[in-house]
Amino acid sequence: GNSVTQMEGPVTLSEEAFLTINCTYTATGYPSLFWYVQYPGEGLQLLLKATKADDKGSNKGFEATYRKETTSFHLEKGSVQVSDSAVYFCALPLTGANNLFFGTGTRLTVIP
Amino acid sequence: GAGVSQSPSNKVTEKGKDVELRCDPISGHTALYWYRQSLGQGLEFLIYFQGNSAPDKSGLPSDRFSAERTGGSVSTLTIQRTQQEDSAVYLCASSSRREYQETQYFGPGTRLLVL
Repeated sequence: GNSVTQMEGPVTLSEEAFLTINCTYTATGYPSLFWYVQYPGEGLQLLLKATKADDKGSNKGFEATYRKETTSFHLEKGSVQVSDSAVYFCALPLTGANNLFFGTGTRLTVIP
Repeated sequence: GAGVSQSPSNKVTEKGKDVELRCDPISGHTALYWYRQSLGQGLEFLIYFQGNSAPDKSGLPSDRFSAERTGGSVSTLTIQRTQQEDSAVYLCASSSRREYQETQYFGPGTRLLVL
């Protein structure tokens, strides 16, 4: 069935550093792919998504490209800020099911 | 409010007691999901409701867990005879259509601690 494998954390970066959080997927067909973010003390919220192969999702300076050749959906940001400190989850719909499969999450800490 | 709300935000209970967790989805959303997030682990799917259809209960970990959704809106997750391993954050989400590829909107969660 569909699944994602997400880079384990934690990741600690200095402000303005470049961020990459790896996510690879296994899927039947080309389902939508999602990145969700959970800021400290808050619920999960959608960060970005891509609905078909070769699409790029972007939001708040973050980007992820749906690459079918490498079955990847890596999250990138060119210059992180302290406010980006959060846990990031890669997700996709389960095959024939009604729910999302979430990766284990990657905790990002950005230090001034 | 416009978002998914959950109550209580925190719940401390003693082992063996029953608890009820409530979720108010976004108005008009027909799909509602419950997930569990345990410390150091990812999100675990519990149950899914879509309109008046029979719920998908495939993720419920044991028969101590049950959920209902009244009037196609508010949902209650009940855990009977709580155990310490039930301690987790319980998240509710809703989405606008049946298609599972729709964006899910999450509530802030209920943090459950079983002593």
